[in-house]
Amino acid sequence: DGGITQSPKYLFRKEGQNVTLSCEQNLNHDAMYWYRQDPGQGLRLIYYSQIVNDFQKGDIAEGYSVSREKKESFPLTVTSAQKNPTAFYLCATSDTAETQYFGPGTRLLVL
Amino acid sequence: GDSVTQMEGPVTLSEEAFLTINCTYTATGYPSLFWYVQYPGEGLQLLLKATKADDKGSNKGFEATYRKETTSFHLEKGSVQVSDSAVYFCALSDLSGYALNFGKGTSLLVTP
Repeated sequence: DGGITQSPKYLFRKEGQNVTLSCEQNLNHDAMYWYRQDPGQGLRLIYYSQIVNDFQKGDIAEGYSVSREKKESFPLTVTSAQKNPTAFYLCATSDTAETQYFGPGTRLLVL
Repeated sequence: GDSVTQMEGPVTLSEEAFLTINCTYTATGYPSLFWYVQYPGEGLQLLLKATKADDKGSNKGFEATYRKETTSFHLEKGSVQVSDSAVYFCALSDLSGYALNFGKGTSLLVTP
């Protein structure tokens, strides 16, 4: 079954804790993205990666980190430096045709 | 920089009504334009796209035409259904051809 999987569906973070969101794809797409979605603000780009072992900051990278060790995987870590992490996080992939395909999302909540 | 402006919602329509959601863009060059749809609690799904001026994208009864002269990409549907209730996002590709700039989204509620 092809597609993009994100886990977990819901994630709870305590103060001062780092948490990692998983994104896996079997579409064989080179590019992968992380977006943050807040109510009424649309989607904002956190990080993106066009190829393995390379990634670039998006518009709101502060307080986040990523890695891209495998083509299939692009995990996002929300660090303790991110003071307002509560949001819906979306992972996406794309081929060279510009179209992006989205995973089901992870909702992060702060305890 | 490149940007997209969508009409603010929420938009509430009765079933079988005509739908228009306005989208205008500002861009250098000639970006590709997209409409995505998001159902509650889910990720975004591509609804339609257009890659050059005067192209019309269409899918599931929705249509949008890439208008370079008015820098617009308005989404239309002739007869909406309750199942069309969702949030609709307009987006454009940036100069790299990889990243997308999204509008803030327009919430649509269709009532029986």
